[in-house]
Amino acid sequence: GENVEQHPSTLSVQEGDSAVIKCTYSDSASNYFPWYKQELGKGSQLIIDIRSNVGEKKDQRIAVTLNKTAKHFSLHITETQPEDSAVYFCAARINFNKFYFGSGTKLNVKP
Amino acid sequence: GAGVSQSPSNKVTEKGKDVELRCDPISGHTALYWYRQSLGQGLEFLIYFQGNSAPDKSGLPSDRFSAERTGGSVSTLTIQRTQQEDSAVYLCASSLAGGSETQYFGPGTRLLVL
Repeated sequence: GENVEQHPSTLSVQEGDSAVIKCTYSDSASNYFPWYKQELGKGSQLIIDIRSNVGEKKDQRIAVTLNKTAKHFSLHITETQPEDSAVYFCAARINFNKFYFGSGTKLNVKP
Repeated sequence: GAGVSQSPSNKVTEKGKDVELRCDPISGHTALYWYRQSLGQGLEFLIYFQGNSAPDKSGLPSDRFSAERTGGSVSTLTIQRTQQEDSAVYLCASSLAGGSETQYFGPGTRLLVL
């Protein structure tokens, strides 16, 4: 089956700096890669996603890049703000409705 | 509009007891997913429903775990004879249809088995 690894497990940045979270996957059949933000006491929210036929996608301060050859994808957050502090999860979809998740990255943005 | 809701938000139980967790998906969403998140771990897929049927039960960790969905809406996840290793946050998500990738997650049920 698919195996998704996520690094780092914790990340602390100064407000205004950029944050990068990386994930690798094992199965080349994976074709869809969403990123979720999980805040304490709230459900996880989809913040950005990318399909395997695209190399990069950007939405305001958030971007995701995908390298299919190397089987890794990354989340980039620029101009970080304290409200970006949360746990971020990457995921890879291999079957139509089965998702494999990374172990999460706790991002702390210091004001 | 209303999102995915789960109840209870927290549950403390004794080892060996049965527990039932509930998920109310977004109205009209035909696909429903259960995940488990243990401390420091990623989300672990448990089961997926399309309507009332569960084509993929491969993620259920043991025969103590079962789930059902009625009326294409509410789903319950039942854990029988709970064990301490069942302690985790159980998350439910729904999506509009089986072909839609956007999953909307509930806030989760935090289960603690003493």
